[in-house]
Amino acid sequence: NAGVTQTPKFQVLKTGQSMTLQCAQDMNHEYMSWYRQDPGMGLRLIHYSVGAGITDQGEVPNGYNVSRSTTEDFPLRLLSAAPSQTSVYFCASSYSAGLYAFFGQGTRLTVV
Amino acid sequence: KQEVTQIPAALSVPEGENLVLNCSFTDSAIYNLQWFRQDPGKGLTSLLLIQSSQREQTSGRLNASLDKSSGRSTLYIAASQPGDSATYLCAVRPDNQGGKLIFGQGTELSVKP
Repeated sequence: NAGVTQTPKFQVLKTGQSMTLQCAQDMNHEYMSWYRQDPGMGLRLIHYSVGAGITDQGEVPNGYNVSRSTTEDFPLRLLSAAPSQTSVYFCASSYSAGLYAFFGQGTRLTVV
Repeated sequence: KQEVTQIPAALSVPEGENLVLNCSFTDSAIYNLQWFRQDPGKGLTSLLLIQSSQREQTSGRLNASLDKSSGRSTLYIAASQPGDSATYLCAVRPDNQGGKLIFGQGTELSVKP
């Protein structure tokens, strides 16, 4: 099994550009979520989903959009990139709230 | 608002020592608590998961305990090895908000040969 796959691994954007970070899992997990990790801040929840067609905001949702049209995919869209969005982004999935969460390898994003 | 704190932020120990990492949370209404390991530049690897009804979980040299009423969890690492060097993160799933994980800031562990 591939587990949780994030693409791309690295990305440099100019301020104002938009892009989509991809996340796919092949474990038939219902729960998926996006986090950003900044030095000294730990991981902070951006958006999450408890099933196809259902999404909700986390702690730091501004500037990001998500959708969940299939169980497998949970893309994160940056609408107009800002330097404050420079971070490492992680996607996670789990079968249910009671089971282990699995993380992707991360996307390192730099906005200049 | 649930807040998760990990102490210490960094720890350096000689090889072979037993050690304890601490995690505290402000709201006891949790579904479960999970410990992760993160190597530099890598993703998170799940270590142990403790359900809210459990007191501890063990895997090899790792033992995690949970005291929900006092808002505390500990990760005990026995006979530490240089390969244990990494950042250790704890995260709670709030009760009735199972889609979320709320993380502490992590403890950076260095085990010296």
